[in-house]
Amino acid sequence: EIVLTQSPDTLSLSPGERATLSCRASQSVSSSYLAWYQQKLGQAPRLLIYGASNRATGIPDRFSGSGSGTDFTLTISRLETEDFAVYYCQQYGSTPLYTFGQGTKLEIK
Amino acid sequence: EVQLLESGGGLVQTGGSLRLSCAASGFIFSNHAMSWVRRAPGKGLEWVSAITASGDGTYYADSVKGRFTISRDNSKNTLYLQVNSLRDEDTAVYFCAKKYKYVHPAFDCWGQGTVVTVSS
Repeated sequence: EIVLTQSPDTLSLSPGERATLSCRASQSVSSSYLAWYQQKLGQAPRLLIYGASNRATGIPDRFSGSGSGTDFTLTISRLETEDFAVYYCQQYGSTPLYTFGQGTKLEIK
Repeated sequence: EVQLLESGGGLVQTGGSLRLSCAASGFIFSNHAMSWVRRAPGKGLEWVSAITASGDGTYYADSVKGRFTISRDNSKNTLYLQVNSLRDEDTAVYFCAKKYKYVHPAFDCWGQGTVVTVSS
């Protein structure tokens, strides 16, 4: 089983700052199979990035994804107030079919 | 507009059963694999189960294998999750999610969720 570990658990930043979220896999993950999601309280998750670096439909260009192998990064270039939420990375594999990281909570400083 | 709408959640006793449904619209349902994902109180997202577009393949997390059954009716554009032998730790919001495409198997559309509460 591939385990995804996100860091940090909580990130405290101010609007306008840059956010860098990390996702580390216990084994190599195909870039095509790595995604990032945003979830706000009481809402469904929203796909931000698929294939490690492709923005989903309607996602602002301040969100970007990068990485390969076991290390992946989600960057938010200039935080806006609506960006404060919980972020998850996800991989598609063999068994189990999908795994999520434990999440990074991005909170207003 | 692509939409997924879950129903069927509720309060159930330990050991009880429920059938969750997810009604899909706005896309060709029979062309896409689907999954159920849950989020327990105070915890992160957990993938629960998936089914292929035709329904001939099903997959489960170890935590629910043997107790949950995923199915679909492509004529009704509906996904199901039969949940049996419920435990306290199954308490969660259950989301259905649409698989984007074969080469990028992320979930590009999610329902709003249905709440399952298991209580002894």
